Amino acid sequence: RKEVEQDPGPFNVPEGATVAFNCTYSNSASQSFFWYRQDCRKEPKLLMSVYSSGNEDGRFTAQLNRASQYISLLIRDSKLSDSATYLCVVNMGLDSSYKLIFGSGTRLLVRP
Amino acid sequence: DTAVSQTPKYLVTQMGNDKSIKCEQNLGHDTMYWYKQDSKKFLKIMFSYNNKELIINETVPNRFSPKSPDKAHLNLHINSLELGDSAVYFCASSHRHEQYFGPGTRLTVT
Repeated sequence: RKEVEQDPGPFNVPEGATVAFNCTYSNSASQSFFWYRQDCRKEPKLLMSVYSSGNEDGRFTAQLNRASQYISLLIRDSKLSDSATYLCVVNMGLDSSYKLIFGSGTRLLVRP
Repeated sequence: DTAVSQTPKYLVTQMGNDKSIKCEQNLGHDTMYWYKQDSKKFLKIMFSYNNKELIINETVPNRFSPKSPDKAHLNLHINSLELGDSAVYFCASSHRHEQYFGPGTRLTVT
């Protein structure tokens, strides 16, 4: 079983749509969770951290369910510029260290 | 100002050669990393250094040797290159949880 699993997509949605991505992780001892965004042929960049209570940043909402080992990302009112690959990331480092395990990514295409 | 820079951006070389990729960060971070992203887009950690000390060393062939002359630099040397080494190699640095990635080095081994 992969340490971090995501649906690869692609998700092809019209502008203005709401889209949700899911991710599961295998190690229940994982400490922290993130969503990164990677544009085509570019480097990954942090989109947002994911907290147990859920958190929102503008049109983006992230949720964590530790019992089910499940993370989600919701994008409302999709823009053309949201087209990218979204990487689910789990920190499996011990203590204060960070060892990030990346999912293979979910590709989003937003069409006009 | 570039936060994390890598050179070269592209590297095409033949099997059996030895090559190096350089990485520098000007963010003042203590921790630096090397990642490999293969053709299936999996991004996998290879090494991590904290203050010039190796703290993560994943199952990577010993043909790959990282070197950190100071905490702003983490270079990657690869001996006896193989076809399977073709990938994009990303350097990153971090302070706590947010990792800042360099633009990547696209290595093609022919």
